[in-house]
Amino acid sequence: DARVTQTPRDKVTEMGQEVTMRCQPILGHNTVFWYRQTMMQGLELLAYFRNRAPLDDSGMPKDRFSAEMPDATLATLKIQPSEPRDSAVYFCASGLVSGIGAGELFFGEGSRLTVL
Amino acid sequence: LAKTTQPISMDSYEGQEVNITCSHNNIATNDYITWYQQFPSQGPRFIIQGYKTKVTNEVASLFIPADRKSSTLSLPRVSLSDTAVYYCLHNTDKLIFGTGTRLQVFP
Repeated sequence: DARVTQTPRDKVTEMGQEVTMRCQPILGHNTVFWYRQTMMQGLELLAYFRNRAPLDDSGMPKDRFSAEMPDATLATLKIQPSEPRDSAVYFCASGLVSGIGAGELFFGEGSRLTVL
Repeated sequence: LAKTTQPISMDSYEGQEVNITCSHNNIATNDYITWYQQFPSQGPRFIIQGYKTKVTNEVASLFIPADRKSSTLSLPRVSLSDTAVYYCLHNTDKLIFGTGTRLQVFP
């Protein structure tokens, strides 16, 4: 059963530390999204890639966040340095976007980040 | 920015039909309308997508009027396991989630 895999599932770190979250999209999907979810802000789109190229990262704080897709099987979201306000659940999603709507996106189980 | 408006919450009882309406006044010609469901501690899950009129799958129906400025997700005979947050989105490419509708189903 194909699924999006995210690691780590849970991460507790101290302010100022670097955090890297990883995502393995479903094989064959051409689009990968990163979202952040908090009680206050809901689900926020941070960035997304099509065929590994970044299409939009306007939702991401540029000074501390970076997102990359080093290859088709791995997407990374890095925070350096982390701050307590970055505490959230980070979701990765992948889909096969053909231009006829975004279609069905498959979400991972999320990475819960706590920055102390 | 893809903006949608939905009721913040709804209550229902098992066995009833639930209709959740979403307004999307600034929908673009090429946008599709998509609904997702999210349970606590899980990522959203795709329910249904449509462009116009009516779409039905094994889980739900989606009704879209001719002007496409709103849509209604219909869940037939809900059960306790349908308690979740339901999101309406319109998109051609990137998916922007709104605040969603928290559905609570009671026995």
